[in-house]
Amino acid sequence: AQKVTQAQTEISVVEKEDVTLDCVYETRDTTYYLFWYKQPPSGELVFLIRRNSFDEQNEISGRYSWNFQKSTSSFNFTITASQVVDSAVYFCALSESANAINTDKLIFGTGTRLQVFP
Amino acid sequence: GAVVSQHPSWVICKSGTSVKIECRSLDFQATTMFWYRQFPKQSLMLMATSNEGSKATYEQGVEKDKFLINHASLTLSTLTVTSAHPEDSSFYICSAVLTVYSNQPQHFGDGTRLSIL
Repeated sequence: AQKVTQAQTEISVVEKEDVTLDCVYETRDTTYYLFWYKQPPSGELVFLIRRNSFDEQNEISGRYSWNFQKSTSSFNFTITASQVVDSAVYFCALSESANAINTDKLIFGTGTRLQVFP
Repeated sequence: GAVVSQHPSWVICKSGTSVKIECRSLDFQATTMFWYRQFPKQSLMLMATSNEGSKATYEQGVEKDKFLINHASLTLSTLTVTSAHPEDSSFYICSAVLTVYSNQPQHFGDGTRLSIL
């Protein structure tokens, strides 16, 4: 069965601190995609990143970086030098796509609420 | 800019009313759209997968007669909550994917906050 676990319910940090959001997933498929989405207080979901299961290379995008470890089934997200605008709920998600067509449903984790204080 | 538009963004209505929510893909054709529901401080739960020109596929536990989904065109899917009750109050959000082989992630609408009095 597919499952995404975000053990951290809430994290509070002070601006400029680094923060890592954990994500652990379960799947029996060898081909799958992992995602991170940001949901600010206004409610919309903002796409941050997608990784396929064959690409374990870590990625950095500005202050954001992602660490994909297949051996531990984890896909952790780090925000460096956090800012108040980073305050939001962050969701990790999984989709299984045996034929690499991204039309499959997303299984979301329960989310981590990040609060960054000035 | 937004690639998926959802309307309305906010609805308050009386118990027993039916409410229709629209999800439109802007400047791309979406053969598949997804409808999710999110209760306060909880995760998003998939309700159904909407495919253009065919019947929606509902997740276990979701009443298809209560949550009517219509995907009549490649740019529009609608979710109708029939005879809504207070327990249906939630945040409903749709997503759309480009036509197959596009290899693009799902794009989400801004969501609809539904409050049933």
